[in-house]
Order: sequence, then C-alpha cells, then structure tokens
Amino acid sequence: AQSVTQPDIHITVSEGASLELRCNYSYGATPYLFWYVQSPGQGLQLLLKYFSGDTLVQGIKGFEAEFKRSQSSFNLRKPSVHWSDAAEYFCAVGAPAAGNKLTFGGGTRVLVKP
Amino acid sequence: NAGVMQNPRHLVRRRGQEARLRCSPMKGHSHVYWYRQLPEEGLKFMVYLQKENIIDESGMPKERFSAEFPKEGPSILRIQQVVRGDSAAYFCASSLDRQGIVQPQHFGDGTRLSIL
Repeated sequence: AQSVTQPDIHITVSEGASLELRCNYSYGATPYLFWYVQSPGQGLQLLLKYFSGDTLVQGIKGFEAEFKRSQSSFNLRKPSVHWSDAAEYFCAVGAPAAGNKLTFGGGTRVLVKP
Repeated sequence: NAGVMQNPRHLVRRRGQEARLRCSPMKGHSHVYWYRQLPEEGLKFMVYLQKENIIDESGMPKERFSAEFPKEGPSILRIQQVVRGDSAAYFCASSLDRQGIVQPQHFGDGTRLSIL
C-alpha cells in the first residue's frame, strides 16, 4: 500500500525567505505525485504534479518540486515566500494499480512572518 | 464557475439525524471522489465513483455511510444516524477519465459537518 509522510507539521518562515517542504512516499513502482495547497476554510488547489520525465517540475504561484527516486522524496520549494503563501500544504501519491484514489500526507502548516 | 461545486458549505445536525452532502463535478469530469478531513489531519479517502457505479469504497465506514453518483444529478454522500465523531470537513473531487493514468483531482470547497 502507498503512504506519504510529511515530517514537518509546522514551518515558520520570514517573508522573502526560501521555503522547502518535505515529502516522503512509500510505493513499489513509480508513483504519481501531487502537491496541493489549502487556505483556511477552502478546498485544495493543485500546485503541481509529477508523472514521469523531468524530475524537476514547475507549478503555479512560483512553486517547484523535485522527484528523487533514490530518496523516495518529492520536496516542494519556493525561492521567496509571500505573505499569501501562508496555508497548509499537502503532498499526495496516487497509483494506477491502486485505482485513482489519492493518499495524502498529514500536511505542513506554513506561517509567514512579516 | 466551472469548478467542483459542493453544497451545503456548512451543515449542522443533531445526533441521530441524517446528513446529505452534494457534489457536482467539473464539467467534463466523469469520476468523483469523496474524502474526509478531521481537524488537524490530512484527507482520508472514502469512496470513488463513476456514473451509476461505485468503483472503490474501501475507505468508507461499513455502516451508516453510503454514496451514489446517479446518471443525472450530483453525487450524494449520505450519513445516517450521525454521531459526534462524524464531525469533519467532507471534500469532493473530480477528475477526467484516462485509463491507466492517475489524473489530477480537482477539489470543491468542502462541506463542514457539525454534529450537536
């Protein structure tokens, strides 16, 4: 069965500083990987996805993520955060063999200091 | 708005009542998924449906919960005889149909269910 771990529950970062959110997955084959962002009281918005090909993927809002098979990781990065990036971020994994359902990590809540 | 539409946004029920949550997928999407999010937790998969078919209900509690996606109309998640532990945010997502490929899922804003 697939699983996702987001080791950091909370991260506080200063506005303008860089941000990296960790995601580790467990799955036997090449997974389909996603990052979503959730603002308070809202649904989830897709930031980016990885299926195959270039292991560095670009997403919306200036985010990027790098797939590292050897480390079973799919970390999310942003070079310079804005106050509007304060939200909760979820990493998710899917696999055709498991149907289309997504397995989510527990999330990382990002706080942005002025 | 061509996104996933869920209603109601907030639903309050007393213990023992029934809760019905509705979800209209994005235009052109034929797959619907329901997830539950407990406070301070990630989303947990409940059920995956296509029109008139339940594809995977492995995450659905065996009792009191049911889901449908009829030929016409929205998908419905139904919780009978609600208990306090059912209080959560319920999210619906939809995706395109592509065999052998996990499509990105697009989420609605959720229904916050509160049980008194």
